[in-house]
Parts: sequence; C-alpha cells; structure tokens
Amino acid sequence: ETGVTQTPRHLVMGMTNKKSLKCEQHLGHNAMYWYKQSAKKPLELMFVYNFKEQTENNSVPSRFSPECPNSSHLFLHLHTLQPEDSALYLCASSSTRPGANEQFFGPGTRLTVL
Amino acid sequence: TQLLEQSPQFLSIQEGENLTVYCNSSSVFSSLQWYRQEPGEGPVLLVTVVTGGEVKKLKRLTFQFGDARKDSSLHITAAQPGDTGLYLCAGGYTGNQFYFGTGTSLTVIP
Repeated sequence: ETGVTQTPRHLVMGMTNKKSLKCEQHLGHNAMYWYKQSAKKPLELMFVYNFKEQTENNSVPSRFSPECPNSSHLFLHLHTLQPEDSALYLCASSSTRPGANEQFFGPGTRLTVL
Repeated sequence: TQLLEQSPQFLSIQEGENLTVYCNSSSVFSSLQWYRQEPGEGPVLLVTVVTGGEVKKLKRLTFQFGDARKDSSLHITAAQPGDTGLYLCAGGYTGNQFYFGTGTSLTVIP
C-alpha cells in the first residue's frame, strides 16, 4: 500500500467515549501532522511530529492526545469530546529535507460527536 | 487573524471558461503550495512555488508566485468538470509548518 492511509474513514462517538484515529505513511517521511478541517474554516494545524518528537502543539485542548510511536505511524486519541469537535481530521506527512517539505495527505476521518 | 485569504470563496462556471483564483497575504513565505481537495478526500498537492515571480504550468493550470512572495494565483484555461473541487493555497516558512488559506470552492458545469 502506498501514500498515507487513515482509519477509520468515518467515526460517530458520544461525548463520553474514548476512541483513536490512526494514520500510517508509506513514503519514508520523517514528519507527520494532524489537521482539523471544519466547514467554512481553513485547515487548522493541530500537531507536528519530527522524527517521532512533537514539535508543535497549536493550543489544542487536552481532550486530543497525539501519539507517534515511530516515523510511519501517528495516532490521535480522543476522549470526552464536544459536538463542536465534529470535523474532518486529516493526517499528512512530509520529508524534512530542505526544499522537499511538500505535505502528502491521507483521505481523512470524518468524525461526528453526538 | 487569517494569514492567507483566498478569493473568490465560491466560483461556478460553465465548461470551457477560464478562471483565476487568488491567494493573498501580508506575510512573506519561503514557499507556497496549491492543493485540490475533492469531497470526502484529503487535499492533493498540485504544485510548489519557491521563487518570487515564478510561473509554473501544469497542463491547463498556470501558477504564479508574486514577486514579493506574499501572494499567488492559479489560472485554469478551458475548465472541465473534472476540475471541480476545493482549491487550497498553503504558505510555508523554513521548517515544516504551513498555513492554509480559506479555500476556493470551484464548480464546473458541463
């Protein structure tokens, strides 16, 4: 399998549930990202990992917890979410070589919080 | 504060027409990327521009980076229904953090 894959593609959860989103990249990249895409809003960068180390956390609420066990896998653990957290969650990866930092996105997980 | 403003926000045209989408900012970027996103999918990279004044062509798509590296445009010639989608620009600094624009939703009517 090539590119960036995300599972599940769709997720419906209650506010008291705990769930996890998974992302896997097969591109040999060293940086991975989580974005949130809501209707009528620009993509919001949530977290950045370089070589498995978190380098950015853009004021994301603690109910979102990222995990990056290796350069190919990225998780987003969700707990006690709110209805306004319903959105498309996109994972991306990129090289860290200078001049080659284009991001490649997965298909996203459509999350609905009831 | 929105770093990158795209215009127009929505665009609906007939097949065969030409169109231009703009991406403007008051910030200087080291690179700028254009993506197209179809419903239910993630954005797909179309092009990266890095030099002020640079022009790149991809078949019927022409991308230009402003001389001051603050703005960019995407011109589509003879639009086709397959061009329908959300067009996003993203500005990058050194390192790997990008800021995405507000998006332009294009519909090409057969």
